[in-house]
Amino acid sequence: AQSVTQLDSQVPVFEEAPVELRCNYSSSVSVYLFWYVQYPNQGLQLLLKYLSGSTLVESINGFEAEFNKSQTSFHLRKPSVHISDTAEYFCAVSEGGATNKLIFGTGTLLAVQP
Amino acid sequence: NAGVTQTPKFRILKIGQSMTLQCTQDMNHNYMYWYRQDPGMGLKLIYYSVGAGITDKGEVPNGYNVSRSTTEDFPLRLELAAPSQTSVYFCASTKNEKLFFGSGTQLSVL
Repeated sequence: AQSVTQLDSQVPVFEEAPVELRCNYSSSVSVYLFWYVQYPNQGLQLLLKYLSGSTLVESINGFEAEFNKSQTSFHLRKPSVHISDTAEYFCAVSEGGATNKLIFGTGTLLAVQP
Repeated sequence: NAGVTQTPKFRILKIGQSMTLQCTQDMNHNYMYWYRQDPGMGLKLIYYSVGAGITDKGEVPNGYNVSRSTTEDFPLRLELAAPSQTSVYFCASTKNEKLFFGSGTQLSVL
């Protein structure tokens, strides 16, 4: 069965510093990978996704994630964070393109400090 | 488009009471989902539906029921509320591998 591991429950970082949020998955078949962001008291919003093709995917607000099949990872990175990036970030995986069974990780709280 | 709309936003139930969480979407999406979110646990899939008249269990279906009589509506029913069902519930629908979430229902069972 597929699963997602986000080892870091919280990542504190200073503003303008780089950050990496880690995500590892387990699956025996091809997968689709996602990062969702949740701001306080809101639902989740799609940040970026990997379906196929280039292993490096980017979001419109400067985040990027790289699909690494050999390490079964999909880490999220940003070279310089802003206070407004403070949120909870969830990694998710679906097997074989079946979005009907999207499995989420436990989330990582990114806390950006001035 | 309103997107995915959930009601109510907050609710307190007594143990053993029943209630229905409403979810409707106006995007004509076939796929709809119910998740619960607990601190430190991420989101767990309760039930999902691939179209009107078709529903299936997710990871944590016990204690819940769903129906999908129309494309737009996907209500979640709690028949005998238990403290373990205290959580934040999110309804979502999908298009092009992107989930659209409602704003959530915060439910407390006391």
